[in-house]
Amino acid sequence: KQEVTQIPAALSVPEGENLVLNCSFTDSAIYNLQWFRQDPGKGLTSLLLIQSSQREQTSGRLNASLDKSSGRSTLYIAASQPGDSATYLCAVSGNQFYFGTGTSLTVIP
Amino acid sequence: GAVVSQHPSWVICKSGTSVKIECRSLDFQATTMFWYRQFPKQSLMLMATSNEGSKATYEQGVEKDKFLINHASLTLSTLTVTSAHPEDSSFYICSARDGGSTDYGYTFGSGTRLTVV
Repeated sequence: KQEVTQIPAALSVPEGENLVLNCSFTDSAIYNLQWFRQDPGKGLTSLLLIQSSQREQTSGRLNASLDKSSGRSTLYIAASQPGDSATYLCAVSGNQFYFGTGTSLTVIP
Repeated sequence: GAVVSQHPSWVICKSGTSVKIECRSLDFQATTMFWYRQFPKQSLMLMATSNEGSKATYEQGVEKDKFLINHASLTLSTLTVTSAHPEDSSFYICSARDGGSTDYGYTFGSGTRLTVV
């Protein structure tokens, strides 16, 4: 069974810092990997989708990479802002969707 | 892009009553929809896979008689929590994939916060 782990579980950084969130998965047979943002008590917002054949995707200040062979993905956030504070989830898509444990990010003004 | 609408966004019900949550794909057809549950400070856990025109597939440990799933059309799946108890209080989210899409991306509803008192 696919297992998805995210490190760190929580992260607190001052505004303006660049940061990296990590995601690892045990089964490399995936269709794609998605990064989501979840605000407290809210649903999910899709940030980036990386196909299994791709290495990275970029959207604004966000850059996500995928190394399928090693079962790893990173989400890089540049010049963090207080509005980036949220929980970030990665999820891999195979026969079904498997979510990571999440990283709770706090950006301090 | 693909949009999934989920209602209600929050509901409070008395213990022993039933609650229905709807999940609609607005601009695409979804033969398969997924229902997730999220307890506080935990990640989302798949409860069941809803298949249009057939019975849902439940994950281990999820009571199919308690969480009734109906997927009567290509754009609507419903989850009914029957005889709700306080321990059923949770955040429920549905998702669907646009079968016409080539990126295999999933779209999620906005979630339903259920509180059973």
